[in-house]
Amino acid sequence: AQSVTQLGSHVSVSEGALVLLRCNYSSSVPPYLFWYVQYPNQGLQLLLKYTTGATLVKGINGFEAEFKKSETSFHLTKPSAHMSDAAEYFCAVSETGRRALTFGSGTRLQVQP
Amino acid sequence: KAGVTQTPRYLIKTRGQQVTLSCSPISGHRSVSWYQQTPGQGLQFLFEYFSETQRNKGNFPGRFSGRQFSNSRSEMNVSTLELGDSALYLCASRVETSGTEAFFGQGTRLTVV
Repeated sequence: AQSVTQLGSHVSVSEGALVLLRCNYSSSVPPYLFWYVQYPNQGLQLLLKYTTGATLVKGINGFEAEFKKSETSFHLTKPSAHMSDAAEYFCAVSETGRRALTFGSGTRLQVQP
Repeated sequence: KAGVTQTPRYLIKTRGQQVTLSCSPISGHRSVSWYQQTPGQGLQFLFEYFSETQRNKGNFPGRFSGRQFSNSRSEMNVSTLELGDSALYLCASRVETSGTEAFFGQGTRLTVV
C-alpha cells in the first residue's frame, strides 16, 4: 500500500529565505509523485510532478523537487520565499497502474516579512 | 481551456437529508475522481469514474455514491447526511494515461447542521 508522510505541519520562513518542505513516501512499486498547493477556499493546483526520467523536477513559481529513491523522499524547495507562497502544500503519490492519489497531511507555509 | 467546474460552491444541509454535487471536467478528460477534505482526516479518495464506469473506490460507506455521464460530467451523492460529512469535496479530472496529473476544481463546501 502507498503512503505519504509530510514532516512538519507548519513551517515558517522569512521572505527571501530558503523554503524546504519534506515529503517521504512508501510504495511497493515505482511511484508517481506530485506536489500540490492549496490557497484558502480554493482547490489544489499542481506545482510539479515526477514520473520517470530526471530526478530533479522543476515546477511553477520557482519550486523544484528531487526524487531520491534510496531515501524514499521527494522534498520540495524554493531558493527564495515570497509572501505569495504562503499556502498549504500537499505531497501525493500514485502507483503505476493506479490513478487514485494518496496525499500527505499537508504543510502550512507561513512567510514572514 | 476551461478548468474543472464544480457546482455549487457552498451548500448547507440538515442531518438526514441527501445531497448531490456536480463536476464538469476539462474538455477531453474522461477520468473524474472525487476526494473529501476535512481538517481531521485530510484528503481522502472517494472514487474514480472513467467512461461512465466506476473504476476505483476508496474506503467510504455506501451512503457515498457517484456516477458519470456520457459527456464525462460526474455527480456524487451523499444520502442520510451526518454531521461528519461536513467537508470540502474536490473533483479532479485527468487524461487517460497512468502517471498524468489530476486537475482539481475549486471544490464544494458542504456543511451539515
